[in-house]
Amino acid sequence: AQSVTQPDIHITVSEGASLELRCNYSYGATPYLFWYVQSPGQGLQLLLKYFSGDTLVQGIKGFEAEFKRSQSSFNLRKPSVHWSDAAEYFCAVMTGTASKLTFGTGTRLQVTL
Amino acid sequence: DTEVTQTPKHLVMGMTNKKSLKCEQHMGHRAMYWYKQKAKKPPELMFVYSYEKLSINESVPSRFSPECPNSSLLNLHLHALQPEDSALYLCASSPRTSGGGYNEQFFGPGTRLTVL
Repeated sequence: AQSVTQPDIHITVSEGASLELRCNYSYGATPYLFWYVQSPGQGLQLLLKYFSGDTLVQGIKGFEAEFKRSQSSFNLRKPSVHWSDAAEYFCAVMTGTASKLTFGTGTRLQVTL
Repeated sequence: DTEVTQTPKHLVMGMTNKKSLKCEQHMGHRAMYWYKQKAKKPPELMFVYSYEKLSINESVPSRFSPECPNSSLLNLHLHALQPEDSALYLCASSPRTSGGGYNEQFFGPGTRLTVL
């Protein structure tokens, strides 16, 4: 069965510092991968997606992610974090014809000023 | 219109009440989803509708009853809920791809449900 692992429960970075959030997946076929962000009490906003093609994908808000098949990873990066980036970040894999999403457990990002 | 809307934003209900959550999208998406999210947890899929037909029920208790009256509207009817059903309920929709599958999911802001 497919699964997604986000090893870091909580990460704290200083504003202006770079950021990398880790995501590892387990899925037999080529996965469809996503990163979503959720502010407290809010819905989820799609940051970026990978379906095929270029393994480095660009998203909104200056985020990017790199798909590495050999490592089963899809890590999220941002060169310079802003205080408004503080939120919960979920990696997800989509499977099946009905686009069932399986989420990782999430990484809470705290940004210090 | 490029968003998924959910009403109400907050709902408090007793264990004997009957209430409904509503979700609407006008993006022409043909798949719609209900998720349940407990505090500090990821969303968990409850139901999937594809072309107004229920295609996935993730073994959800019958006190939750979904309904898709048309391609833009998704309801979740609630009856005899338990306090442990208190959670954020998220709705999502997804466009069809040219290959016949579905694309990324767009989420609404959620309904915060409290069961007393």
